[in-house]
Amino acid sequence: NAGVTQTPKFRILKIGQSMTLQCAQDMNHNYMYWYRQDPGMGLKLIYYSVGAGITDKGEVPNGYNVSRSTTEDFPLRLELAAPSQTSVYFCASNTGKGQPQHFGDGTRLSIL
Amino acid sequence: QKEVEQDPGPLSVPEGAIVSLNCTYSNSAFQYFMWYRQYSRKGPELLMYTYSSGNKEDGRFTAQVDKSSKYISLFIRDSQPSDSATYLCAMTSLSANAGGTSYGKLTFGQGTILTVHP
Repeated sequence: NAGVTQTPKFRILKIGQSMTLQCAQDMNHNYMYWYRQDPGMGLKLIYYSVGAGITDKGEVPNGYNVSRSTTEDFPLRLELAAPSQTSVYFCASNTGKGQPQHFGDGTRLSIL
Repeated sequence: QKEVEQDPGPLSVPEGAIVSLNCTYSNSAFQYFMWYRQYSRKGPELLMYTYSSGNKEDGRFTAQVDKSSKYISLFIRDSQPSDSATYLCAMTSLSANAGGTSYGKLTFGQGTILTVHP
């Protein structure tokens, strides 16, 4: 049972480059989320989606974009990477409001 | 004031000790409470999930919620070196949202780093 799968696990980008962080879940969850985790700062919500074709901004959306064309996939796009986007990115999913979220193992991203 | 406050530690205990991890919160609308465990270089893993006030036990772990005091705890009995991790509390309500769509926003504590030494 794979759960939430994130790729790649690690990536180094140069300033100004772009990339897509992939997230896929096989639990048929309608709700999906992207967080970033910085040391001592906890988890900050970037974007979320309540179903295919529906996305909305979280607390820290600037510099990121998302799409949700299928229930299973929720990619996160970084355009014009900046050093401030160096972080660990986590994707999560759940069945709906009030339910616990299930997390992937993250993508460690460094912008140099 | 942060919505959820969690002592970041670090907390270091000997093997076999009873560990108490705590969070306080300010939003009285929170109804659902969770504890996650996060090992180094891994994602948060759900440990306990409770609704409203009371206790819930699962093996060596007990989650306690006191809504009147806006206080939740996680107790670990007979702690083991394999319990060494960061523990995150999280909570939500059915009406919480961060954007235009109500989705049940999950609010996390900062996490407590726990080390259990042999």
